[in-house]
Amino acid sequence: EVQLVESGGGLVQPGGSLRLSCAASGFTFNSYWMHWVRQTPGKGLVWVSRINSDGSSTSYADSVKGRFTISRDNAKNTLYLQMNSLRVEDTAVYYCARGRDGYNKVIDVWGQGTTVTVSS
Amino acid sequence: DIQMTQSPSTLSASVGDRVTITCRASQSISDWLAWYQQKPGKAPKLLIYKASSLESGVPSRFSGSGSGTEFTLTISSLQPDDFATYYCQQYNSYGTFGGGTKVEIK
Repeated sequence: EVQLVESGGGLVQPGGSLRLSCAASGFTFNSYWMHWVRQTPGKGLVWVSRINSDGSSTSYADSVKGRFTISRDNAKNTLYLQMNSLRVEDTAVYYCARGRDGYNKVIDVWGQGTTVTVSS
Repeated sequence: DIQMTQSPSTLSASVGDRVTITCRASQSISDWLAWYQQKPGKAPKLLIYKASSLESGVPSRFSGSGSGTEFTLTISSLQPDDFATYYCQQYNSYGTFGGGTKVEIK
């Protein structure tokens, strides 16, 4: 079974840092692009970042550029999101997601999400 | 940045109704558009990609059309399992989502 399991969410003060992890299983992780998408409670979806299959290329939404870093460890089948200089508006559920085979920027598998709360 | 505008934001319908949701892009995105369904407390589910390609396992009552800046998602005969929120997403440049359309029971 294809599965993505996020961890690392929690409560952090403004200006703080947090690292999210996403453990992948049930598919050949090193063949797929991966994404992070967030969702504010009661609000819509916001694409955050993506990384290609070998980790050599990354992209970020303007709202997180320079503060967040996406990375992956293909030997460990794990995706990461390092979040620095966190702001109250970064509070959201963060989803790890897989890019669809052949259409890498389309998301075909999602994790269950991990909640990040930025508050003093 | 490309902005995606969905309409309506809420739609009330009955089982068996034909439902159409519109998504407009602020600039041309060719057919680089996907549609997702999300139910409360759950992650989204991919329905349509490349504007009109049905994802494997998705019922054929779902269809997508459009290109350029205007797109539609149609549910030909609404079923009880279809009451949910639907999002479009452009992937021509990064991956902007629309604001969502909640399909509720009339």
